[in-house]
Amino acid sequence: AQKVTQAQTEISVVEKEDVTLDCVYETRDTTYYLFWYKQPPSGELVFLIRRNSFDEQNEISGRYSWNFQKSTSSFNFTITASQVVDSAVYFCALSENQGGSEKLVFGKGTKLTVNP
Amino acid sequence: DAGVTQSPTHLIKTRGQQVTLRCSPKSGHDTVSWYQQALGQGPQFIFQYYEEEERQRGNFPDRFSGHQFPNYSSELNVNALLLGDSALYLCASSSLRTGTGRVEQYFGPGTRLTVT
Repeated sequence: AQKVTQAQTEISVVEKEDVTLDCVYETRDTTYYLFWYKQPPSGELVFLIRRNSFDEQNEISGRYSWNFQKSTSSFNFTITASQVVDSAVYFCALSENQGGSEKLVFGKGTKLTVNP
Repeated sequence: DAGVTQSPTHLIKTRGQQVTLRCSPKSGHDTVSWYQQALGQGPQFIFQYYEEEERQRGNFPDRFSGHQFPNYSSELNVNALLLGDSALYLCASSSLRTGTGRVEQYFGPGTRLTVT
């Protein structure tokens, strides 16, 4: 069965520190998508990135970067020079294509607190 | 262009009552998925509607039912509410017709349901 594990429940850093959020996934699909979402206190899930299973190229977007390694079934997310506005809960998710429904399987999330 | 909208924002119900939550998908989207997010947990897939039919269902009892209207909006109904149904209910929209569901799912702000 598909599963996403985010082992870090909570992380607290001081502003300007770099922080990496870990994500490990399990799937039998050969074609799948991985996502990261940010959930601020308001509750709405904000899409950050998606990556398909055939593209292991790392991606950088401003202070954000993602490291996808199929060999270890990991899709880690790094924030460089963290800011207070980065404080939120971050979810890693796997797109599961059962019957074409394309449902998302989420991890339990990592709560990031960036202190000034 | 309006994003995904949900109503109401907050709701308080008593155990045993019934509740209806509403979702309007992003313009151009034809598919609505519902997720339940308990406190401190990741969202869990309830079901998905496309062409006014339920395509896929997660591990939720029959007390949870839904409907999709011709304009693609959707309702989530929960009967015989239990205390454990207290959660944030998220709606996500995508387009199965154009095949973007695996790569783009836009979430609404959610409805926070409290059962007392």
